[in-house]
Amino acid sequence: DGGITQSPKYLFRKEGQNVTLSCEQNLNHDAMYWYRQDPGQGLRLIYYSQIVNDFQKGDIAEGYSVSREKKESFPLTVTSAQKNPTAFYLCASRAQNIQYFGAGTRLSVL
Amino acid sequence: GNSVTQMEGPVTLSEEAFLTINCTYTATGYPSLFWYVQYPGEGLQLLLKATKADDKGSNKGFEATYRKETTSFHLEKGSVQVSDSAVYFCALYSNTGFQKLVFGTGTRLLVSP
Repeated sequence: DGGITQSPKYLFRKEGQNVTLSCEQNLNHDAMYWYRQDPGQGLRLIYYSQIVNDFQKGDIAEGYSVSREKKESFPLTVTSAQKNPTAFYLCASRAQNIQYFGAGTRLSVL
Repeated sequence: GNSVTQMEGPVTLSEEAFLTINCTYTATGYPSLFWYVQYPGEGLQLLLKATKADDKGSNKGFEATYRKETTSFHLEKGSVQVSDSAVYFCALYSNTGFQKLVFGTGTRLLVSP
């Protein structure tokens, strides 16, 4: 089955720790996205990548980093500089003007 | 800039009631419009879309019509089911400048038996 796989489903971060969220897609899409979702709010764009080896900051990139070394993979690192990381993180890929989403990773702080 | 405004929830309905969730937008150019649905603990799924004025998107009994004159894309369903309980997001995709989805804040729908 084609789709977007995010892992892990739940993740806990200790203070001062960097954590990496995985996003893999087998849809052969060039563009990929990371969003953050907080309770009662819409989705906010963290980073996006339109092609391999290229990515740009979204609206709330501070405290996050990404890489795009392979078309299939777009991992997101939540660094210790992100002081309020508790949220639901969603990865997406795009074909034409439709975005397809993974099931999300819920990140909490210990 | 581009923006989407949705009615605040939760919207609470009994099974078989009529549903309307309002959505209005502000955008330059001619955006594509979408409704996404999010079930508890899951990612977003595309529910329906419309790409030009007067288009009607439909899926699973849900409908929305792209109204350029009122800049609206209201979601409707004639008879809701308990299984429709979810959060619904209206979104637009601008074809000018950087192409990204702009989301509304979401509307939670609760359907009781």
